[in-house]
Amino acid sequence: KAGVTQTPRYLIKTRGQQVTLSCSPISGHRSVSWYQQTPGQGLQFLFEYFSETQRNKGNFPGRFSGRQFSNSRSEMNVSTLELGDSALYLCASSLWTGGDSPLHFGNGTRLTVT
Amino acid sequence: QKEVEQDPGPLSVPEGAIVSLNCTYSNSAFQYFMWYRQYSRKGPELLMYTYSSGNKEDGRFTAQVDKSSKYISLFIRDSQPSDSATYLCAMSASNFGNEKLTFGTGTRLTIIP
Repeated sequence: KAGVTQTPRYLIKTRGQQVTLSCSPISGHRSVSWYQQTPGQGLQFLFEYFSETQRNKGNFPGRFSGRQFSNSRSEMNVSTLELGDSALYLCASSLWTGGDSPLHFGNGTRLTVT
Repeated sequence: QKEVEQDPGPLSVPEGAIVSLNCTYSNSAFQYFMWYRQYSRKGPELLMYTYSSGNKEDGRFTAQVDKSSKYISLFIRDSQPSDSATYLCAMSASNFGNEKLTFGTGTRLTIIP
């Protein structure tokens, strides 16, 4: 069974630009979550989608947004990039939403903002 | 104070030793506990998943949860160089949806051949 696939693996952007990251969950998984990982803050929750609806959102500014499609694939968008947005962005999928459905992570998209 | 505390290490042990990794937490509502392993340039890989208190064993790995002490542990027996990675504990509160995982900061482990 294929794992969670994230594209692209690496991105370099300039301050002020916007970026879209893509995530394909494990087949059959309907929930997709996004996390930001930085050396200083560790893994921080961005948002979770289930059946195309945002179910939960972390404490990030409105520049961070996402969506989920009917096939459960998800995209995350960051507008007006700032230097501090440089991080590893991880997508995770699970069968359903809730603590009793463990997350399975992709290998992330490494975003560098210059 | 963070909801989940984890010693960042680094922790270096000789091959074959027993490794003990630990996390403490403050939120008594947490009831689902996970351990993830993350290799460099990779995403976290789910190692162990437990519900409520007790022990769970899977090969060389044993996860323990003590909810009364708000303390969880991961033991690695007969450690191998391939176990060298960062280990992250994670936990969540509810099975009713809308519950995110809260992660520890990770412990960097090196197994010395």
